[in-house]
Amino acid sequence: RKEVEQDPGPFNVPEGATVAFNCTYSNSASQSFFWYRQDCRKEPKLLMSVYSSGNEDGRFTAQLNRASQYISLLIRDSKLSDSATYLCVVVSSNTGKLIFGQGTTLQVKP
Amino acid sequence: DGGITQSPKYLFRKEGQNVTLSCEQNLNHDAMYWYRQDPGQGLRLIYYSQIVNDFQKGDIAEGYSVSREKKESFPLTVTSAQKNPTAFYLCASNLRTQYTGELFFGEGSRLTVL
Repeated sequence: RKEVEQDPGPFNVPEGATVAFNCTYSNSASQSFFWYRQDCRKEPKLLMSVYSSGNEDGRFTAQLNRASQYISLLIRDSKLSDSATYLCVVVSSNTGKLIFGQGTTLQVKP
Repeated sequence: DGGITQSPKYLFRKEGQNVTLSCEQNLNHDAMYWYRQDPGQGLRLIYYSQIVNDFQKGDIAEGYSVSREKKESFPLTVTSAQKNPTAFYLCASNLRTQYTGELFFGEGSRLTVL
């Protein structure tokens, strides 16, 4: 089993839709979680950190469920510019290394 | 503007040749990293360095080598021993160790073996 798993998609949604991605992790001792965004053939960029209490940044909401060992990203009112691959990142509590998921691809259609 | 510069952006290599990818940062970051990304896969750590003149192997170090003679520079050599070197290579840096979670990436180098 991979340490960090994501549904690769693609998720095809119309503009204005609400879409959610989940990411599961296997190490229950993991402490830090993040979402990165990667545009096609570009480098990843930090989208948001994921806090235990959940956090929101505009149309984006990140949640952590420790009991079930998953994090989620919710995007409301999708824009064409949201089309990208979203990478889930978990910091290993054992090594401190960042473990990347394979990414979930979102395509927002007009 | 501060940032990370990778070069070349695109590189073609014949089998059996070594190639070196450059990574330079002017962010005054202590830690630097090299990742490899294959289509449909997440990033995999090749090597990382937390301080000058020191570096550690990541998860897929075989067939690669690095050096960290200066804080600003962390070049990666893809040797002929790397069996499947065609990939997208990303250099990154941050202030301390990976615990912080925020990495700053260069634009990447796309290596194709002919």
